[in-house]
Amino acid sequence: AQKVTQAQTEISVVEKEDVTLDCVYETRDTTYYLFWYKQPPSGELVFLIRRNSFDEQNEISGRYSWNFQKSTSSFNFTITASQVVDSAVYFCALSEARYGGSQGNLIFGKGTKLSVKP
Amino acid sequence: EAGVVQSPRYKIIEKKQPVAFWCNPISGHNTLYWYRQNLGQGPELLIRYENEEAVDDSQLPKDRFSAERLKGVDSTLKIQPAELGDSAVYLCASSSPGYNSPLHFGNGTRLTVT
Repeated sequence: AQKVTQAQTEISVVEKEDVTLDCVYETRDTTYYLFWYKQPPSGELVFLIRRNSFDEQNEISGRYSWNFQKSTSSFNFTITASQVVDSAVYFCALSEARYGGSQGNLIFGKGTKLSVKP
Repeated sequence: EAGVVQSPRYKIIEKKQPVAFWCNPISGHNTLYWYRQNLGQGPELLIRYENEEAVDDSQLPKDRFSAERLKGVDSTLKIQPAELGDSAVYLCASSSPGYNSPLHFGNGTRLTVT
C-alpha cells in the first residue's frame, strides 16, 4: 500500500531561519513520482516540485531545495532564509506511474503547517 | 492562463439537503479530479476523469455522491442527501495530457453541513 508520512504537524520559526520539512513515503512500485505542494490560507494547492523515482539528484530553486533519498524513502524540503510569506501548509504527495498516459492519483500526507514569524 | 475555477466558494446547508459543486478546469486539460480535504488532513481522491469518462471512482461514496463531466470539460459533483460528516473542502484539479503532468488545483468549495 502507498503511504506518505509527514511527522511534523506544525513548525514555527523566526524569519531568516532555515527550516526542513520531512517526508517519508511507502510504495511497492519501482517507478513513482513525488511532489510537494504549498497551501496558503487562500486554500489553493500550489505545485512546487515533482521528482521521479529514477532521479535522485537534489534540486535547488531559489530559497527552496529538495533532498530525495531512496535508501531512506525520504523526500525532504528545505527553505533557506525563511520569510513570512512562506507561512502555509506544505503537503508531500506520492503518485504511482502505472496509469498509462496520465498521472496517477496523488496520495497526500497530512501536511506540515509552517508559521514564519517576523 | 486562467486557473481552475470552482464555485461556490462556500456553502452552508442543513443535513439531508442536496448540494452541488461546479468546476471549470484549465483549457486543454483532459484529466479532471475531485478531491475532498477534511480539516487538518491532506486531500483524498474522490473521482478522476479522463475526458468524459470516469476512470477511477473507487473512493466515491456512490450511495450519496455523484459526479458528471459532460462534454469532457466542466464537471459537477453532487451530494444527496448531505450528512454532517460531509463537511470538508472539496477541491477540483486538472492536468494536461502527459505521464507526469502536475495537478493544478482550484481554490475549493468549503462545505459546512449543520
